[in-house]
Amino acid sequence: DVKVTQSSRYLVKRTGEKVFLECVQDMDHENMFWYRQDPGLGLRLIYFSYDVKMKEKGDIPEGYSVSREKKERFSLILESASTNQTSMYLCASSFRGGGLAVPSQYFGPGTRLTVT
Amino acid sequence: GESVGLHLPTLSVQEGDNSIINCAYSNSASDYFIWYKQESGKGPQFIIDIRSNMDKRQGQRVTVLLNKTVKHLSLQIAATQPGDSAVYFCATRRSGTYKYIFGTGTRLKVLA
Repeated sequence: DVKVTQSSRYLVKRTGEKVFLECVQDMDHENMFWYRQDPGLGLRLIYFSYDVKMKEKGDIPEGYSVSREKKERFSLILESASTNQTSMYLCASSFRGGGLAVPSQYFGPGTRLTVT
Repeated sequence: GESVGLHLPTLSVQEGDNSIINCAYSNSASDYFIWYKQESGKGPQFIIDIRSNMDKRQGQRVTVLLNKTVKHLSLQIAATQPGDSAVYFCATRRSGTYKYIFGTGTRLKVLA
């Protein structure tokens, strides 16, 4: 079974703190994603990475950065946390796919971040 | 912009009945569709998917129907069980990209 793990289930941080959220997958997937999930808004893509050291902005990258130094690990960084970044953060991974293959995304359990 | 919407925020069904959860999407270029189940405190779990060149796909107790004419997707769960209680949402893939648009979810409540 594919396993995607996230470093924390719950996190409470203060405004202005630097926050690191880590995600690890064990299936040698090329693609990794960070989403945030808010009530009434669905999942929104923050960043995704299609290879080591490669990244692409999603729909809401402002206030976030990412790091992918190893294939299995994708980190989301909040440089200076703000209260509007209080949310559920979900990491996902998938194979690259290609041709007719459409890779399914596998999600981690999520990190509920509260910024006070 | 693109959107994916679900018709009902909450759906209550009797145990043993069939459930139908609906989803509407806006982008006619979407080529791939997925249904996810999310239980409380957990990440989304893949249920079933369908490509745009199909109009129906069946899994174990679940069926997905795709109507590209009206841009509508539905998930049917047969003989709904208490373990089916969760939030269900659909996602569509932007053709030729890795990017998905997610709906906001329908909470399915199974009544004993």
